Amino acid sequence: DTAVSQTPKYLVTQMGNDKSIKCEQNLGHDTMYWYKQDSKKFLKIMFSYNNKELIINETVPNRFSPKSPDKAHLNLHINSLELGDSAVYFCASSHDNQGAGELFFGEGSRLTVL
Amino acid sequence: GQNIDQPTEMTATEGAIVQINCTYQTSGFNGLFWYQQHAGEAPTFLSYNVLDGLEEKGRFSSFLSRSKGYSYLLLKELQMKDSASYLCAVMDSNYQLIWGAGTKLIIKP
Repeated sequence: DTAVSQTPKYLVTQMGNDKSIKCEQNLGHDTMYWYKQDSKKFLKIMFSYNNKELIINETVPNRFSPKSPDKAHLNLHINSLELGDSAVYFCASSHDNQGAGELFFGEGSRLTVL
Repeated sequence: GQNIDQPTEMTATEGAIVQINCTYQTSGFNGLFWYQQHAGEAPTFLSYNVLDGLEEKGRFSSFLSRSKGYSYLLLKELQMKDSASYLCAVMDSNYQLIWGAGTKLIIKP
């Protein structure tokens, strides 16, 4: 069974559209994250939720809105997509948000905005 | 500001040993992680150091010196499958992970 799964894995869309990426973890972890990895391979934290509560909200345009219906799910909705949003978006989870817990990453969702 | 530095790219020969360095400047320290990321795949956890010294795990070892703000990942008996990017990340005093840009390791036969 996949520990952290995200869908879709590939997404190609036009500028101005709205799209969502879903993420689910079956590890029983309390904390989930969204990361953006651009063409330069830098992993940038976008959001972090602990038990459905937002705990990290980095400087991200408000076109990006995360939603956590329960602690096993963290979805990312993006409005009015721009060319610069093209990247790979990784969902991840950890046991909690403090300490040595390693991150478990999903396989990534490659978003291409045309 | 917070900063993680590691070389952009390194090349090594199959069967050899390579050391990937990472230096950091962060607001506090709650541990340093190394992750491996193959092209087109997700990062996977390799090691975690919070105390000074060397942690060995099979062919991979990770070293930490907190006073120097320095870590390295040592890979022995290199195999072609070790070709990947290696990401250094530090957890700061707020338990936020600060990531380096990664070191792309190329293994040649």
